[in-house]
Amino acid sequence: GEDVEQSLFLSVREGDSSVINCTYTDSSSTYLYWYKQEPGAGLQLLTYIFSNMDMKQDQRLTVLLNKKDKHLSLRIADTQTGDSAIYFCAESQLGDYKLSFGAGTTVTVRA
Amino acid sequence: ETGVTQTPRHLVMGMTNKKSLKCEQHLGHNAMYWYKQSAKKPLELMFVYSLEERVENNSVPSRFSPECPNSSHLFLHLHTLQPEDSALYLCASSQEQWGHNEQFFGPGTRLTVL
Repeated sequence: GEDVEQSLFLSVREGDSSVINCTYTDSSSTYLYWYKQEPGAGLQLLTYIFSNMDMKQDQRLTVLLNKKDKHLSLRIADTQTGDSAIYFCAESQLGDYKLSFGAGTTVTVRA
Repeated sequence: ETGVTQTPRHLVMGMTNKKSLKCEQHLGHNAMYWYKQSAKKPLELMFVYSLEERVENNSVPSRFSPECPNSSHLFLHLHTLQPEDSALYLCASSQEQWGHNEQFFGPGTRLTVL
């Protein structure tokens, strides 16, 4: 986790957009991932982006990658109560079996 | 069964017990992982197996002993654990290809050591 950093908490009103930010240090990262963990469950892959892309959109999810600043963000449009969870960003490198995870951002959706 | 399964889902054990956690993946992947997730701490990678060989052991105490008999099964044998070992233990699998290492996670085993 020391190579990938995230803010720990985010509170958002239902129906608003959520933006979760992540920074990483390794410029040789090849893929970057966003995982979601609901209470009492394992991690579920939400989306990923290849490092030569700037943006990827998948329904309510938009991933933005600024490779120059090593900054990754996940935007959730029209946030719902079911989006309350911990969100982890992670990065991988060519030929490495490991993923480096951030500490996770706890998103709380309030009515 | 699909994806990654783990048994048991919950386990309570005393410090002198011996128990094992089991993980099974039905995805045809070539790598499997054990992670420890403690409250308010980052996800800790414990062990990595690739093609049934251990390729990473992140300074894990010897009271945790992994076993990978084949590419679909991974065990974590536990003995003489400490209360601070109480955590959620997550198993994952992946098929690393050209830097893309999408890991699929099981639901975890919630372990409580008394």
